[in-house]
Amino acid sequence: AQSVSQHNHHVILSEAASLELGCNYSYGGTVNLFWYVQYPGQHLQLLLKYFSGDPLVKGIKGFEAEFIKSKFSFNLRKPSVQWSDTAEYFCAVRPSTGTYKYIFGTGTRLKVLA
Amino acid sequence: DAMVIQNPRYQVTQFGKPVTLSCSQTLNHNVMYWYQQKSSQAPKLLFHYYDKDFNNEADTPDNFQSRRPNTSFCFLDIRSPGLGDAAMYLCATSTRQSSYNEQFFGPGTRLTVL
Repeated sequence: AQSVSQHNHHVILSEAASLELGCNYSYGGTVNLFWYVQYPGQHLQLLLKYFSGDPLVKGIKGFEAEFIKSKFSFNLRKPSVQWSDTAEYFCAVRPSTGTYKYIFGTGTRLKVLA
Repeated sequence: DAMVIQNPRYQVTQFGKPVTLSCSQTLNHNVMYWYQQKSSQAPKLLFHYYDKDFNNEADTPDNFQSRRPNTSFCFLDIRSPGLGDAAMYLCATSTRQSSYNEQFFGPGTRLTVL
C-alpha cells in the first residue's frame, strides 16, 4: 500500500539551529513530492515541490528539500530556523499517473524557541 | 485573490444531528477533495471529485456524503454525526492537467460533536 512516513513527530529547536525533517514514501512508480506547512491558525500551504530534474529543490522562506530516489526520501532542510518557522510540516506524495490522490504523512510539529 | 473558502470555520452539532459543511473555490479547478484531520494525524482523504465524477474512498463511512452542484462549490454532509467524527475538515482543490500541480487548501472547518 502507498504510504508516507515522517519519523519526527515533534521537534524543538532554538533559533539559528539547522533543521532537517525526514520523509520517506512507499510507492513503486514515479511520484511527485510536496512539503506543506501549516502555521498556527492558518491553512495548509505549499512550501516546495519536486516533479523532475534537479533533485535539490528550493522553496519559500529559505527551505529546501532533496529527493533521493534510491532511498525513497524527500527530506526538508533549513540551515537556520527562525521563531516564525514554528508550524506543522506535512510531506505529501502524488503518483505521477493514474490518480488525483495525494498521500500525506502524519506531520511534524516544529517549535522554535526564541 | 483566488482561493478556497470554507464555511463555517467552526461548527458545533449534537450527536446524531445532521450537519453540512461547505467549500467554494475561485480557482476554477477541476478536482475538489474533502479530508478529515484529527489531532497529530495525517489528513485522511474522504472523497474527491474530478469535475462531477465522484470518487469515494473505500473506508469512508456511509455516514459521510458529498455533493458538487457546480465547479465552484462542494458540500460535505454528515448524516448522523458521532463523537468520533469530531475533527477538522479540510477542503482542497487541484487541476487535472498535471500531477505536479499542488493542492490548494481552505482554512478548514472544526467540527465539535456534543
